[in-house]
Amino acid sequence: NAGVTQTPKFRVLKTGQSMTLLCAQDMNHEYMYWYRQDPGMGLRLIHYSVGEGTTAKGEVPDGYNVSRLKKQNFLLGLESAAPSQTSVYFCASISESTYEQYFGPGTRLTVT
Amino acid sequence: AQSVTQPDIHITVSEGASLELRCNYSYGATPYLFWYVQSPGQGLQLLLKYFSGDTLVQGIKGFEAEFKRSQSSFNLRKPSVHWSDAAEYFCAVGANFGNEKLTFGTGTRLTIIP
Repeated sequence: NAGVTQTPKFRVLKTGQSMTLLCAQDMNHEYMYWYRQDPGMGLRLIHYSVGEGTTAKGEVPDGYNVSRLKKQNFLLGLESAAPSQTSVYFCASISESTYEQYFGPGTRLTVT
Repeated sequence: AQSVTQPDIHITVSEGASLELRCNYSYGATPYLFWYVQSPGQGLQLLLKYFSGDTLVQGIKGFEAEFKRSQSSFNLRKPSVHWSDAAEYFCAVGANFGNEKLTFGTGTRLTIIP
């Protein structure tokens, strides 16, 4: 039982490049989330999904897209990276029974 | 809309001393409240949560928190801190069990001095 895993752990992009962050969970959770964490701002919700094939916007969705083609995977895409997207990205899933969010270890992204 | 305020950005405590981290929330009805801890370079781990019932909740690692509706607060406490408690602590609020979007505070960084 690996919990929530994220790939990659680190990435450096040039402005305008694209990339996809992968989140995987093996707990059969319906709900999954992508957050970004910036100094002094806590965690802010980018997008979330309430089940396979569904996605919804969070607090700061601009510049990001997501897909949930399989229940266990939640992908976060940056089509044209900008320096403002330099951040640490966390994926999470929630247990519907305990309402506890389980977090991945994070992806540190730098856009130059 | 729900919101969370953690008024202390950084707190320094001596090892063995007591600790209280403050959290104030804004929400019209009874909120679902959480405290998470984040060690450097790690994800967040749940310390404790409050849904209903007893307003004093116990969590892992010897932490507890008290829900005070009249003060819209959910402060985290520990009677005696250990050096391993040095981390960043986040308070979070959820609107209700059917709304799983949590709103996080900006965090309090805890430093422990020997």
